[in-house]
Amino acid sequence: AQKITQTQPGMFVQEKEAVTLDCTYDTSDPSYGLFWYKQPSSGEMIFLIYQGSYDQQNATEGRYSLNFQKARKSANLVISASQLGDSAMYFCAMREDGSEKLVFGKGMKLTVNP
Amino acid sequence: EADIYQTPRYLVIGTGKKITLECSQTMGHDKMYWYQQDPGMELHLIHYSYGVNSTEKGDLSSESTVSRIRTEHFPLTLESARPSHTSQYLCASSAFRDATYEQYFGPGTRLTVT
Repeated sequence: AQKITQTQPGMFVQEKEAVTLDCTYDTSDPSYGLFWYKQPSSGEMIFLIYQGSYDQQNATEGRYSLNFQKARKSANLVISASQLGDSAMYFCAMREDGSEKLVFGKGMKLTVNP
Repeated sequence: EADIYQTPRYLVIGTGKKITLECSQTMGHDKMYWYQQDPGMELHLIHYSYGVNSTEKGDLSSESTVSRIRTEHFPLTLESARPSHTSQYLCASSAFRDATYEQYFGPGTRLTVT
């Protein structure tokens, strides 16, 4: 069964510093995708970045990069140069290819301090 | 940019009332989803649809029902609301982009049943 684990309940980071948000996953399917979403206090889910299980390179999207370590089954999100607007809940999610189900972790709260 | 709308954004209603949460998207996406999210917790898939006249139940058992009569519209109905239904409900649609189906989320409906 698919499972996503985010063990950090909350993190604090200074503005302009980099921060790493941890995510480990478990699946027996060799083909899957990993996603990170941001959820501000307003409630909407904002897609940040995607990594396919067969992708050779780590995904990057602007200030976001995904540190994908397939053997360790981890997909950590790295945010460079944190901004105050980055304060939000962050969710890691996974979908096995061929499935409609996007399985989410419990999320973690990031607070960026000025 | 995703164009997916949910109404109402906030709803407080008494036990036993029938409610319908609206979700519409203007992107022509075939696949649509409903998620339930308790405060500070992960999202759970409760319903999804592959297209018109297609509806499927998700992982989390829900007393709600859905319909898909038009591509752009995917309403969720609770025949008799109960306090246990208090939660946030997020609607999403998906399109194939960058080798995966990326899900676009609406702003959510925060439901409180008294």
